[in-house]
Amino acid sequence: EVHLVESGGDLVQPGGSLRLSCAASGFTFSNYWMSWVRQAPGKGLEWVANINQDGTEMYYGDSVKGRFTISRDSAKNSLFLQMNSLRAEDTAAYYCASLDFTTIYGAKHWYFDLWGRGTLVTVSS
Amino acid sequence: IVLTQSPGTLSLSPGERATLSCRASQTVASNFLAWYQHKPGQAPRLLIYAASNRATGIPDRFSGSGSGTDFTLTISRLEPGDFAVYYCHQYVGSPWTFGQGTKVEIK
Repeated sequence: EVHLVESGGDLVQPGGSLRLSCAASGFTFSNYWMSWVRQAPGKGLEWVANINQDGTEMYYGDSVKGRFTISRDSAKNSLFLQMNSLRAEDTAAYYCASLDFTTIYGAKHWYFDLWGRGTLVTVSS
Repeated sequence: IVLTQSPGTLSLSPGERATLSCRASQTVASNFLAWYQHKPGQAPRLLIYAASNRATGIPDRFSGSGSGTDFTLTISRLEPGDFAVYYCHQYVGSPWTFGQGTKVEIK
C-alpha cells in the first residue's frame, strides 16, 4: 500500500527554523517529482515547492522563495522541507504529495497524485 | 497567475446542478488547469485536468470546460458525497497557484 507520512511539525517562534520530513513507501519514490502543499487554518490550499526526481530542479512559491528549501534523499525514500525565517503567516498544515502527469499532444499536464495526512506547523511567540 | 473562484459558497440540494467558476488573471496556456475536490480530513482528489479531461474513476456528472482565462466546473446532479470544497489549480509554470476554493454545501 502506498503511503506518504509527514513529520516534524511543531510550535516555533517567529524567525525560527524547522525541518519537515516526508517518508514514502509502497511506490518507487525515485521515479517521481514531489511537492509540498500547505493549508493555513480556515484557508485554501497553497502550493509551496516542487522537486524533480534527482533533486536537481526545485521550484518555489513566491511567499516562501529564499526562506524554504526542498530536498530529497531517494536512498531513504524521503522528502524534506527546510523552513527558515518563519513567519506567523507560515502557520499551516503541510502536506507532501507525489506528482504525476498525463501527456496531451506533447504537453505535460501535471497533477498531485498521492498525499500524506499532513503535519502542523505553528509559528507564534 | 492569480486564480479567483466564485462563488465562495454554493448552497444547493442533492440532485441540483452546481456551476463553479475559476477566473485567471492571465491566459492559462495550453489549458494547464485542474480541479480538485477536498473533503475535511481527506486528501484532495483530482477531478479534472487539462481543463476538461476527467481523471480516472471520476463520474461523468463532473465536467470541466473553458479556456484562456475563464474555466468552469459543472456537477450535473449533486450527490451527497459531492458536498465539499473545490479548488482550481494552474500549472502553467512556476509558481503554481490554486484558487481560494468554492465550498459546495447542503442547502
